[in-house]
Amino acid sequence: AQSVAQPEDQVNVAEGNPLTVKCTYSVSGNPYLFWYVQYPNRGLQFLLKYITGDNLVKGSYGFEAEFNKSQTSFHLKKPSALVSDSALYFCAVRAILTGGGNKLTFGTGTQLKVEL
Amino acid sequence: GAVVSQHPSWVICKSGTSVKIECRSLDFQATTMFWYRQFPKQSLMLMATSNEGSKATYEQGVEKDKFLINHASLTLSTLTVTSAHPEDSSFYICSASRGRAYTDTQYFGPGTRLTVL
Repeated sequence: AQSVAQPEDQVNVAEGNPLTVKCTYSVSGNPYLFWYVQYPNRGLQFLLKYITGDNLVKGSYGFEAEFNKSQTSFHLKKPSALVSDSALYFCAVRAILTGGGNKLTFGTGTQLKVEL
Repeated sequence: GAVVSQHPSWVICKSGTSVKIECRSLDFQATTMFWYRQFPKQSLMLMATSNEGSKATYEQGVEKDKFLINHASLTLSTLTVTSAHPEDSSFYICSASRGRAYTDTQYFGPGTRLTVL
C-alpha cells in the first residue's frame, strides 16, 4: 500500500520569508509525487510533479519541491511567501507497482497561513 | 490548458431525491475521470474511477447503486447521487486525466457542494 504523510496541520510564515511544507511518502516501487493547492470551497489546482530526472522540480507560482529518495520526502518550498499563497496544500503519491492503477493517494493536507 | 468544470457548483436537495453532478474537461480529452469526496477539513477520498466507454471502478465501501457514474464521452462524466440522505452531504470533486499512465496529471474541477436536507 502507498501512503503520504504531511506532519504539519498548519504552517505559519511571514510574507517575504521562505516557506516549506513537508511531505513524506511510502511506496513499494518508484514514486510519482504531486503537489496540489486548494483555496476555500474550490477544487485542487496542480502545482508540480516529480516523475523522474532532476530532484528539484519547479512548478507554478514560484513553488518548487525537492525529491529526496533516501529520506522518502518531497517537501514543497518557495523562496519568498506571499499572503495570496495562504491555502490548503496537498501532497499526493502514485506508485507504479500498486494494484490501484492510476489512483492518487493524498496526504491530510497542510494549511499554509502567510501573514503580513 | 487542462481546465475541468463541474456543474452545479452547489446544490440543495430534499432527502430521498436524486442529484446529478456533471464533470467536463473543457480543453482536452479525458480518457479517465475520477470522483472524490471531501469532508470538512479532511483529505480527498477517492470514490470511483471511470474510463470512457466502460463501467466505473468503485473503491471499497462505496455503494455503486447509490453513486451512479457515467462516462459517456471523452469530455463528460456524471455522478448521480440516488435517494440522497443528509449523510451524503459533502463536497464532491472530480478530476480528469488525459491518459491512464501513472505519470499523467489529474486536473481537478472546482467541486460541488451538496447539502441534503
